[in-house]
Amino acid sequence: GQNIDQPTEMTATEGAIVQINCTYQTSGFNGLFWYQQHAGEAPTFLSYNVLDGLEEKGRFSAGLRRSTGYSSLLLKELQMKDSASYLCAVNRPRGGTASKLTFGTGTRLQVTL
Amino acid sequence: NAGVTQTPKFQVLKTGQSMTLQCAQDMNHEYMSWYRQDPGMGLRLIHYSVGAGITDQGEVPNGYNVSRSTTEDFPLRLLSAAPSQTSVYFCASSDPRTSSSTEQYFGPGTRLTVT
Repeated sequence: GQNIDQPTEMTATEGAIVQINCTYQTSGFNGLFWYQQHAGEAPTFLSYNVLDGLEEKGRFSAGLRRSTGYSSLLLKELQMKDSASYLCAVNRPRGGTASKLTFGTGTRLQVTL
Repeated sequence: NAGVTQTPKFQVLKTGQSMTLQCAQDMNHEYMSWYRQDPGMGLRLIHYSVGAGITDQGEVPNGYNVSRSTTEDFPLRLLSAAPSQTSVYFCASSDPRTSSSTEQYFGPGTRLTVT
């Protein structure tokens, strides 16, 4: 992805907690998305952050620290079905009311027994 | 609502052939986009549209054309297929009028192989 960095692969145990980090260039920042993508399927929306802080949604929570260009996705009580790729995407304005999403290459999470 | 639909799901083309990937959404979204996804590259924007009659290029537009004659449909045309266009293609839509987050809804994808 264009100036968006996240680890390529991670492995964690069922029931554990895992944190996936994403760093990005701060210029023109207008929000950050996390998407989940199971193998062979389309990405699905997990969270959106535009201000510093934590957005919690069930077992998943996403944090943002704009000053350092950093976001993290925390997955608690991991389940086997959480094995998927997690995509970080930065929203940047592109003129008028339009905006553009730039995706990182994704982090493939493997949950093991 | 069916959401975002794409056809076909799979396609094999020979080098030099042309074809159109179809995308439709029934959510009355203004914004529609086409991405390609390749291993190790992430999703890359090909073309996008901010409304009927308006289209613009993304990161990797070469070899592709789009048009947006209606709000619902946003077809992607491959003019002369090349092996480098072997990829998974995703169409997405969003509407900033209804969501400040401009969350994108993705179609199921078209897996294209060019031989």
